[in-house]
Amino acid sequence: DVKVTQSSRYLVKRTGEKVFLECVQDMDHENMFWYRQDPGLGLRLIYFSYDVKMKEKGDIPEGYSVSREKKERFSLILESASTNQTSMYLCASSPLWGENEKLFFGSGTQLSVL
Amino acid sequence: QQQVKQSPQSLIVQKGGISIINCAYENTAFDYFPWYQQFPGKGPALLIAIRPDVSEKKEGRFTISFNKSAKQFSLHIMDSQPGDSATYFCAASPNTGNQFYFGTGTSLTVIP
Repeated sequence: DVKVTQSSRYLVKRTGEKVFLECVQDMDHENMFWYRQDPGLGLRLIYFSYDVKMKEKGDIPEGYSVSREKKERFSLILESASTNQTSMYLCASSPLWGENEKLFFGSGTQLSVL
Repeated sequence: QQQVKQSPQSLIVQKGGISIINCAYENTAFDYFPWYQQFPGKGPALLIAIRPDVSEKKEGRFTISFNKSAKQFSLHIMDSQPGDSATYFCAASPNTGNQFYFGTGTSLTVIP
């Protein structure tokens, strides 16, 4: 089974801190994604990457950056955390787009910024 | 702006009943429409998906109905069970690939 592992299930940080959310997938997938999930807003794409060192902005990239130095690892960085970034963060991976596009999600990181 | 509109936000159904969740879109470039199911404490997982060349797809108790002219699609859960209680997300992906646009989610509760 494909496994997408997010390093932390719960995280509490202070306003202004630099925050790293880590994600690792074990299926050699080309695409990796970061979403945030908020009640009533669904899943919104922050950034995605289709190859090592490549990244594309999603719908809500402001306040975030990403890093993909290795194919299996995709990191989300909050340069200076703010309270409005309190949310559930979901990492996902998928193989190259083809006939059966499918996202494989991690279990999420619930981030609280105080 | 929400590319995929989903309703209702929450749904309560009796065991054995039919659960229906609706989604609508505007972008005619969308050509792949999956539904994801999310249990508490877990990430979403693909449940069923459809492409616009068919009007219906059925997998077990789960059916997607697709109306291309109306730009609407829906998920029907027949004989709903308490184990189906979860949050359901519809999504759409354009033919250029590499992006999914998700609906806002429906929290389904099936009461025994």
